[in-house]
Amino acid sequence: EDQVTQSPEALRLQEGESSSLNCSYTVSGLRGLFWYRQDPGKGPEFLFTLYSAGEEKEKERLKATLTKKESFLHITAPKPEDSATYLCAVQAVESNYQLIWGAGTKLIIKP
Amino acid sequence: DGGITQSPKYLFRKEGQNVTLSCEQNLNHDAMYWYRQDPGQGLRLIYYSQIVNDFQKGDIAEGYSVSREKKESFPLTVTSAQKNPTAFYLCASRGRPTGELFFGEGSRLTVL
Repeated sequence: EDQVTQSPEALRLQEGESSSLNCSYTVSGLRGLFWYRQDPGKGPEFLFTLYSAGEEKEKERLKATLTKKESFLHITAPKPEDSATYLCAVQAVESNYQLIWGAGTKLIIKP
Repeated sequence: DGGITQSPKYLFRKEGQNVTLSCEQNLNHDAMYWYRQDPGQGLRLIYYSQIVNDFQKGDIAEGYSVSREKKESFPLTVTSAQKNPTAFYLCASRGRPTGELFFGEGSRLTVL
C-alpha cells in the first residue's frame, strides 16, 4: 500500500536553531514529491517539487532533498515567521496523478 | 490576481441539513479537487474533476456531491447523509497533471 509518513509530529526550536523535517514514503514508483506550508486556518501554500533521487531545491531558509525512500526539509537559522505546519505529498506513477498526503509536521519557532 | 476563492469561510449547519461550499478559480485550470482536513490526518480526497461536466469520486465521497458545469466553478454539497461533516474543507486546482496544486483559503464547517 502506498504510504507517506512525516516525522516528527511537532518540533519546537529556538530562533536560529537549524533542524530537519522528514517525509518517508513507500510507493511503487515515484512521479513527484511535493512540500507545502500551511498556516493555521489557511490553505496550503506550495514550496517545492522534487522528481528524482539526489535532487535538491532551496528557497530562503528552506532546502528540500530527496532520496529513494525519503525527503528532508532542512530549515537553516529559522525565524518565528517560519512557524507553520509543513505537509509532504507524493504522486505515484500508477496513481492517476492523485496525491498521497502525510499528516504534517507542526513547526514552532520561539523567539 | 489569479487564484482560488472559497466561500463561506465559516459555516454552521444543523443536523439533517444540506450545505453547499463554493469554489471558484480564475487560473484557467482544467483540474479541480475537494479535500477534507481533520486534525492529525493527511488531506483526504473527496471528489475531483479533470474537465467540465466530468468528475470522479475520491477516497471519501460518501455523503458528498459535486457538479462541474463551468470550468471556473466546482461546488461541493455536504449532504445530511455525511455522518461526521465537521471539518476543514479545501478546494484546489492544477494546471497540468504533474504540476503543483493551488489551494483556496478553506471553509470550516461545524455541525451544531
